[in-house]
Amino acid sequence: DTGVSQNPRHKITKRGQNVTFRCDPISEHNRLYWYRQTLGQGPEFLTYFQNEAQLEKSRLLSDRFSAERPKGSFSTLEIQRTEQGDSAMYLCASSLGGLAYYNEQFFGPGTRLTVL
Amino acid sequence: AQKITQTQPGMFVQEKEAVTLDCTYDTSDPSYGLFWYKQPSSGEMIFLIYQGSYDQQNATEGRYSLNFQKARKSANLVISASQLGDSAMYFCAMREVTTGGGNKLTFGTGTQLKVEL
Repeated sequence: DTGVSQNPRHKITKRGQNVTFRCDPISEHNRLYWYRQTLGQGPEFLTYFQNEAQLEKSRLLSDRFSAERPKGSFSTLEIQRTEQGDSAMYLCASSLGGLAYYNEQFFGPGTRLTVL
Repeated sequence: AQKITQTQPGMFVQEKEAVTLDCTYDTSDPSYGLFWYKQPSSGEMIFLIYQGSYDQQNATEGRYSLNFQKARKSANLVISASQLGDSAMYFCAMREVTTGGGNKLTFGTGTQLKVEL
């Protein structure tokens, strides 16, 4: 399978714990995005990487959130001191860069986080 | 700021019939792109179709077509010959170029489509 993969698929944690999610994009894609989707809503943009550089962060990404893409391949999203409001589906997407027609984003299956 | 509005929380369609899912948008950018994604209950977002603001013709991809009315700022998705497997949540999204040169997507709230026998 050469699509975007995310691990774990499900995570249940207690309030105040730290969690880390991983995203492996399609291998030739240099752009990587994180989105968050709460129940009944569409995904909301969190952050964007081009290669290893994090080039934009949403205001939704509080100080408790940090994302990395150390070698321009896989990415991690860490949430520190989780809160119940962090419960959501976290989606990763990747795309080609450059002057492609519309740089379609390919999404992974998501990580569903439940904070008790 | 960009905004996507999907006013149909749920839609029903008979198998083999066509269905239109509504999407209106708001942006001040002259150059923009509109996407439709399908999200089955398994959770992954599946790309369906894209329309660029300068495209002269409405986009089509198999059974999917986009009814793009620029003056009305609408980009409705038409699914022809509905199949049971089309039952899913459908999201309209707009591309916005980020300060870093990426293309972040702004999504609507979605329409849940149910195809019935």
